[in-house]
Amino acid sequence: GENVEQHPSTLSVQEGDSAVIKCTYSDSASNYFPWYKQELGKRPQLIIDIRSNVGEKKDQRIAVTLNKTAKHFSLHITETQPEDSAVYFCAASKESGGYQKVTFGIGTKLQVIP
Amino acid sequence: DAGVIQSPRHEVTEMGQEVTLRCKPISGHNSLFWYRQTMMRGLELLIYFNNNVPIDDSGMPEDRFSAKMPNASFSTLKIQPSEPRDSAVYFCASSFTRQGYQPQHFGDGTRLSIL
Repeated sequence: GENVEQHPSTLSVQEGDSAVIKCTYSDSASNYFPWYKQELGKRPQLIIDIRSNVGEKKDQRIAVTLNKTAKHFSLHITETQPEDSAVYFCAASKESGGYQKVTFGIGTKLQVIP
Repeated sequence: DAGVIQSPRHEVTEMGQEVTLRCKPISGHNSLFWYRQTMMRGLELLIYFNNNVPIDDSGMPEDRFSAKMPNASFSTLKIQPSEPRDSAVYFCASSFTRQGYQPQHFGDGTRLSIL
């Protein structure tokens, strides 16, 4: 089955600096890659996603890049703010048996230091 | 839209007891997912329903776990008998599956503690 590895497990940055979280996947059939943000004690919420026919996508301070050849994708947060502190999950998804099977990474705990 | 609604938010019970978690997906969504989240294993998919039919239950840990979806607006996850190692946060998520992938929307979760 699909295996998604996520690094680092924890990340501390100063407010205003950039943060980068990297994920690799094993199944070349995966074609959709969402990123979720989970604040302490709350639900995971989708913040950005990318499909396999796109190499990069941006939404204000957040961007995601995808390298299909190398099977890795990354989340970039610029000008970090304290409210960016949370756990971030990457995921890889592919069609399997008529539905999209999603595999999540283990998560990255991001701490933005004011 | 009220989003995915889960109940209870917290559950504390003694081992051996039956536990029932409930989920109401977003109206119009045809796919429902149950996840378990722990520090050690992260988010694990337990079971997936499409149009109320269980499609993939390969993540269900063992026979003590069962899930049902009697209609499009309600699902349950039952643990009987419960054990301390079942302590975790259980999330329900829903999506509208059609051509091309649609993101999942998560509920607030049920924090389960088995003593």
